[in-house]
Amino acid sequence: DIVMTQSPDSLAVSLGERATINCKSSQSVLYSSNNKNYLAWYQQKPGQPPKLLFYWASTRESGVPDRFSGSGSGTDFTLSISSLQAEDVAVYYCQQYYASPGTFGQGTKVEIK
Amino acid sequence: QVQLQESGPGPVKPWETLSLTCTVSGGSISTYYWSWVRQSAGKGLEWIGRIHTSGTTNYNPSLKSRLTVSVDTSKNQFSLKLSSVTAADTAVYYCARAQAGGGTLGGFDVWGQGTMVTVSS
Repeated sequence: DIVMTQSPDSLAVSLGERATINCKSSQSVLYSSNNKNYLAWYQQKPGQPPKLLFYWASTRESGVPDRFSGSGSGTDFTLSISSLQAEDVAVYYCQQYYASPGTFGQGTKVEIK
Repeated sequence: QVQLQESGPGPVKPWETLSLTCTVSGGSISTYYWSWVRQSAGKGLEWIGRIHTSGTTNYNPSLKSRLTVSVDTSKNQFSLKLSSVTAADTAVYYCARAQAGGGTLGGFDVWGQGTMVTVSS
Protein backbone atom coordinates (compact mmCIF):
# COMPACT_ATOMS: atom_id res chain seq x y z
CA ASP A 1 0.00 0.00 0.00
CA ILE A 2 1.09 3.60 -0.57
CA VAL A 3 1.61 5.24 2.81
CA MET A 4 0.54 8.86 3.15
CA THR A 5 2.22 10.87 5.89
CA GLN A 6 1.01 14.31 6.86
CA SER A 7 2.85 16.93 8.87
CA PRO A 8 2.30 18.39 11.31
CA ASP A 9 -0.33 16.39 13.19
CA SER A 10 -1.79 19.65 14.44
CA LEU A 11 -1.14 23.34 14.15
CA ALA A 12 -2.51 26.50 15.71
CA VAL A 13 -2.57 29.62 13.55
CA SER A 14 -3.77 33.14 14.29
CA LEU A 15 -6.78 34.43 12.40
CA GLY A 16 -5.66 35.96 9.12
CA GLU A 17 -2.33 34.14 9.13
CA ARG A 18 -1.14 31.39 6.79
CA ALA A 19 -1.54 27.69 7.53
CA THR A 20 0.50 25.08 5.65
CA ILE A 21 -0.03 21.32 5.72
CA ASN A 22 2.35 18.85 4.10
CA CYS A 23 1.60 15.42 2.72
CA LYS A 24 4.20 12.92 1.57
CA SER A 25 3.52 9.68 -0.26
CA SER A 26 5.74 6.60 0.02
CA GLN A 27 5.85 6.40 -3.79
CA SER A 28 5.04 8.75 -6.62
CA VAL A 29 1.36 9.31 -7.38
CA LEU A 30 2.12 11.06 -10.68
CA TYR A 31 0.74 9.10 -13.62
CA SER A 32 3.13 9.74 -16.49
CA SER A 33 0.65 9.03 -19.28
CA ASN A 34 -1.56 11.99 -18.39
CA ASN A 35 0.81 14.00 -16.16
CA LYS A 36 -1.74 14.05 -13.35
CA ASN A 37 -1.07 13.62 -9.65
CA TYR A 38 -3.68 11.31 -8.16
CA LEU A 39 -3.91 13.25 -4.91
CA ALA A 40 -6.93 14.76 -3.17
CA TRP A 41 -7.37 17.00 -0.15
CA TYR A 42 -10.38 16.93 2.15
CA GLN A 43 -11.65 19.05 5.02
CA GLN A 44 -13.60 17.42 7.83
CA LYS A 45 -15.48 19.25 10.55
CA PRO A 46 -16.85 17.51 13.66
CA GLY A 47 -19.88 15.36 12.98
CA GLN A 48 -19.60 15.82 9.22
CA PRO A 49 -18.24 13.70 6.38
CA PRO A 50 -15.06 14.80 4.63
CA LYS A 51 -15.50 17.52 2.04
CA LEU A 52 -13.45 17.48 -1.15
CA LEU A 53 -11.25 20.56 -1.49
CA PHE A 54 -8.80 19.60 -4.26
CA TYR A 55 -8.31 16.80 -6.75
CA TRP A 56 -5.43 16.20 -9.14
CA ALA A 57 -3.45 17.81 -6.29
CA SER A 58 -4.21 21.38 -7.30
CA THR A 59 -7.63 21.54 -8.97
CA ARG A 60 -9.98 23.35 -6.63
CA GLU A 61 -13.43 21.84 -6.20
CA SER A 62 -16.31 24.13 -7.05
CA GLY A 63 -17.26 26.41 -4.17
CA VAL A 64 -13.96 26.14 -2.29
CA PRO A 65 -12.68 29.61 -1.34
CA ASP A 66 -9.57 30.76 -3.18
CA ARG A 67 -7.69 31.28 0.08
CA PHE A 68 -7.16 27.51 -0.15
CA SER A 69 -4.48 26.27 -2.53
CA GLY A 70 -3.02 22.87 -3.33
CA SER A 71 0.40 22.25 -4.81
CA GLY A 72 3.10 19.66 -5.29
CA SER A 73 3.93 16.74 -7.52
CA GLY A 74 5.29 13.22 -7.34
CA THR A 75 5.60 12.45 -3.65
CA ASP A 76 5.41 15.84 -1.93
CA PHE A 77 2.29 17.93 -1.65
CA THR A 78 1.09 20.99 0.25
CA LEU A 79 -2.26 22.42 1.24
CA SER A 80 -2.16 26.09 2.18
CA ILE A 81 -4.71 28.43 3.66
CA SER A 82 -3.52 31.94 2.92
CA SER A 83 -5.57 33.77 5.55
CA LEU A 84 -7.09 31.51 8.17
CA GLN A 85 -10.74 32.11 8.98
CA ALA A 86 -12.66 30.79 11.97
CA GLU A 87 -14.68 28.49 9.71
CA ASP A 88 -11.49 26.78 8.55
CA VAL A 89 -11.03 25.04 11.90
CA ALA A 90 -11.16 21.38 10.92
CA VAL A 91 -9.11 18.28 10.28
CA TYR A 92 -7.53 18.08 6.82
CA TYR A 93 -6.68 14.85 5.03
CA CYS A 94 -4.77 14.00 1.90
CA GLN A 95 -5.60 10.88 -0.09
CA GLN A 96 -3.84 9.14 -2.95
CA TYR A 97 -5.97 7.46 -5.58
CA TYR A 98 -3.12 6.39 -7.84
CA ALA A 99 -3.15 2.78 -6.69
CA SER A 100 -5.50 0.45 -4.90
CA PRO A 101 -6.18 0.65 -2.07
CA GLY A 102 -6.70 4.39 -2.01
CA THR A 103 -5.04 5.54 1.19
CA PHE A 104 -5.44 8.57 3.41
CA GLY A 105 -3.03 10.52 5.53
CA GLN A 106 -3.54 10.49 9.28
CA GLY A 107 -5.00 13.98 9.29
CA THR A 108 -3.86 17.42 10.42
CA LYS A 109 -5.94 19.33 12.93
CA VAL A 110 -6.03 23.09 12.35
CA GLU A 111 -6.98 25.33 15.26
CA ILE A 112 -7.02 29.02 16.04
CA LYS A 113 -4.15 30.36 18.11
CA GLN B 1 -27.95 17.82 -6.30
CA VAL B 2 -26.96 14.24 -5.68
CA GLN B 3 -27.31 13.03 -2.10
CA LEU B 4 -26.25 9.78 -0.48
CA GLN B 5 -27.83 8.13 2.53
CA GLU B 6 -26.44 5.13 4.37
CA SER B 7 -28.78 2.73 6.12
CA GLY B 8 -28.18 -0.32 8.21
CA PRO B 9 -29.41 -2.38 11.12
CA GLY B 10 -27.40 -0.69 13.88
CA PRO B 11 -25.36 -2.74 16.35
CA VAL B 12 -23.81 -5.96 15.10
CA LYS B 13 -22.63 -8.90 17.16
CA PRO B 14 -19.14 -10.34 16.76
CA TRP B 15 -18.78 -12.90 13.95
CA GLU B 16 -22.03 -11.74 12.33
CA THR B 17 -22.32 -10.04 8.95
CA LEU B 18 -22.53 -6.27 8.69
CA SER B 19 -24.89 -5.10 5.96
CA LEU B 20 -25.22 -1.50 4.80
CA THR B 21 -27.02 0.12 1.89
CA CYS B 22 -26.36 3.49 0.28
CA THR B 23 -29.28 5.13 -1.51
CA VAL B 24 -28.49 7.66 -4.22
CA SER B 25 -31.04 10.44 -4.68
CA GLY B 26 -31.19 13.52 -6.86
CA GLY B 27 -29.36 11.86 -9.71
CA SER B 28 -28.56 8.61 -11.45
CA ILE B 29 -26.30 5.96 -10.02
CA SER B 30 -25.21 5.03 -13.52
CA THR B 31 -21.71 5.53 -14.98
CA TYR B 32 -20.07 6.43 -11.68
CA TYR B 33 -17.74 4.60 -9.32
CA TRP B 34 -19.14 4.27 -5.80
CA SER B 35 -17.05 3.57 -2.72
CA TRP B 36 -17.35 2.69 0.92
CA VAL B 37 -15.01 4.41 3.38
CA ARG B 38 -14.87 3.94 7.12
CA GLN B 39 -13.46 6.02 9.92
CA SER B 40 -12.41 4.77 13.30
CA ALA B 41 -10.48 6.41 16.08
CA GLY B 42 -7.72 3.89 15.82
CA LYS B 43 -7.19 3.75 12.05
CA GLY B 44 -8.44 7.07 10.71
CA LEU B 45 -10.01 7.03 7.25
CA GLU B 46 -9.88 3.69 5.45
CA TRP B 47 -11.05 3.00 1.91
CA ILE B 48 -13.03 -0.25 1.93
CA GLY B 49 -13.93 -0.93 -1.67
CA ARG B 50 -15.68 0.36 -4.75
CA ILE B 51 -18.08 -0.68 -7.46
CA HIS B 52 -18.97 0.63 -10.88
CA THR B 53 -22.52 0.40 -12.12
CA SER B 54 -21.28 -2.16 -14.63
CA GLY B 55 -20.68 -4.39 -11.60
CA THR B 56 -16.89 -4.15 -11.60
CA THR B 57 -15.54 -4.20 -8.07
CA ASN B 58 -12.25 -3.47 -6.35
CA TYR B 59 -11.65 -4.23 -2.68
CA ASN B 60 -9.10 -3.27 -0.07
CA PRO B 61 -6.91 -6.38 0.25
CA SER B 62 -7.08 -6.12 4.03
CA LEU B 63 -10.84 -6.77 3.86
CA LYS B 64 -11.22 -8.67 0.60
CA SER B 65 -11.81 -12.11 2.11
CA ARG B 66 -14.79 -10.83 4.11
CA LEU B 67 -16.21 -8.18 1.79
CA THR B 68 -18.90 -8.03 -0.88
CA VAL B 69 -20.02 -4.83 -2.57
CA SER B 70 -22.98 -4.93 -4.94
CA VAL B 71 -25.14 -2.51 -6.88
CA ASP B 72 -28.84 -2.39 -7.74
CA THR B 73 -29.27 0.20 -10.46
CA SER B 74 -33.06 -0.26 -10.52
CA LYS B 75 -33.20 1.00 -6.94
CA ASN B 76 -30.35 3.51 -7.26
CA GLN B 77 -28.59 1.72 -4.42
CA PHE B 78 -25.32 -0.01 -3.70
CA SER B 79 -24.54 -2.19 -0.71
CA LEU B 80 -21.79 -3.52 1.49
CA LYS B 81 -21.62 -6.84 3.30
CA LEU B 82 -18.74 -7.50 5.68
CA SER B 83 -18.69 -10.92 7.27
CA SER B 84 -17.21 -12.21 10.53
CA VAL B 85 -16.97 -8.76 12.09
CA THR B 86 -14.97 -8.03 15.21
CA ALA B 87 -14.58 -4.99 17.44
CA ALA B 88 -11.93 -3.76 15.00
CA ASP B 89 -14.72 -3.17 12.46
CA THR B 90 -16.44 -0.64 14.76
CA ALA B 91 -16.41 2.64 12.84
CA VAL B 92 -18.44 5.28 11.06
CA TYR B 93 -19.16 3.94 7.59
CA TYR B 94 -19.53 6.38 4.70
CA CYS B 95 -20.59 5.86 1.13
CA ALA B 96 -19.05 8.20 -1.43
CA ARG B 97 -18.96 8.95 -5.15
CA ALA B 98 -15.79 9.31 -7.21
CA GLN B 99 -16.20 12.36 -9.38
CA ALA B 100 -16.81 11.97 -13.09
CA GLY B 101 -13.64 12.06 -15.12
CA GLY B 102 -11.51 11.62 -12.08
CA GLY B 103 -9.81 8.73 -10.43
CA THR B 104 -11.95 5.80 -9.47
CA LEU B 105 -10.39 5.27 -6.06
CA GLY B 106 -10.58 8.80 -4.72
CA GLY B 107 -11.43 12.39 -5.35
CA PHE B 108 -14.79 11.73 -3.70
CA ASP B 109 -17.03 14.69 -4.40
CA VAL B 110 -20.24 13.44 -2.77
CA TRP B 111 -20.44 11.72 0.62
CA GLY B 112 -23.20 10.33 2.77
CA GLN B 113 -23.52 11.60 6.33
CA GLY B 114 -22.17 8.33 7.67
CA THR B 115 -23.61 5.67 9.92
CA MET B 116 -22.02 4.47 13.13
CA VAL B 117 -21.62 0.73 13.35
CA THR B 118 -20.73 -0.79 16.68
CA VAL B 119 -19.65 -4.40 16.95
CA SER B 120 -20.48 -5.64 20.41
CA SER B 121 -21.95 -8.66 22.08
